[in-house]
Amino acid sequence: EAQVTQNPRYLITVTGKKLTVTCSQNMNHEYMSWYRQDPGLGLRQIYYSMNVEVTDKGDVPEGYKVSRKEKRNFPLILESPSPNQTSLYFCASSFQGVNTGELFFGEGSRLTVL
Amino acid sequence: GESVGLHLPTLSVQEGDNSIINCAYSNSASDYFIWYKQESGKGPQFIIDIRSNMDKRQGQRVTVLLNKTVKHLSLQIAATQPGDSAVYFCAENMTGGFKTIFGAGTRLFVKA
Repeated sequence: EAQVTQNPRYLITVTGKKLTVTCSQNMNHEYMSWYRQDPGLGLRQIYYSMNVEVTDKGDVPEGYKVSRKEKRNFPLILESPSPNQTSLYFCASSFQGVNTGELFFGEGSRLTVL
Repeated sequence: GESVGLHLPTLSVQEGDNSIINCAYSNSASDYFIWYKQESGKGPQFIIDIRSNMDKRQGQRVTVLLNKTVKHLSLQIAATQPGDSAVYFCAENMTGGFKTIFGAGTRLFVKA
């Protein structure tokens, strides 16, 4: 089954404790992206990647890091989480780029930073 | 600044009626628009898309209309069903860009 898989789905952590949210897709998509979803603000892009070893900042990259060492994986790293990073996070992928077709989303990862 | 927004945050319709969800966009250079549906506890799912060289596109029970003159996008759902209850997002893609900008979303409630 074609899918985007995120882990963990739920996480409660404390300020400053490094964490990684993994994302994997099995559709051989070149483009991957991370979004955060907050009430009233819709989905805001954090980082995106056009292909292996190619990443770029989205609209809200501060406090986040990403890497794209393999085509299927695109982990989101919070080196020192803060309470304002409490949010619902979505990973998404598409075949080439957003202008060429739909984004496939994971089920989301709800993160709470205390 | 550039933004994609929705006219109504919530919409309540009777089962069997038609639903219309509206969206305004501000960047006339955008050339690709998408509607996504997000059910509770799930990620957004693609419903239908339209490119700027079209005014209308139909899918199964859904129709997207694009009015470039007033920068307006709408999603019409025919014979709305309880399973259509969700949050709907319009999304805008910029020419030559690799970012999708989403609106804040409209929550659709379907009354039985």
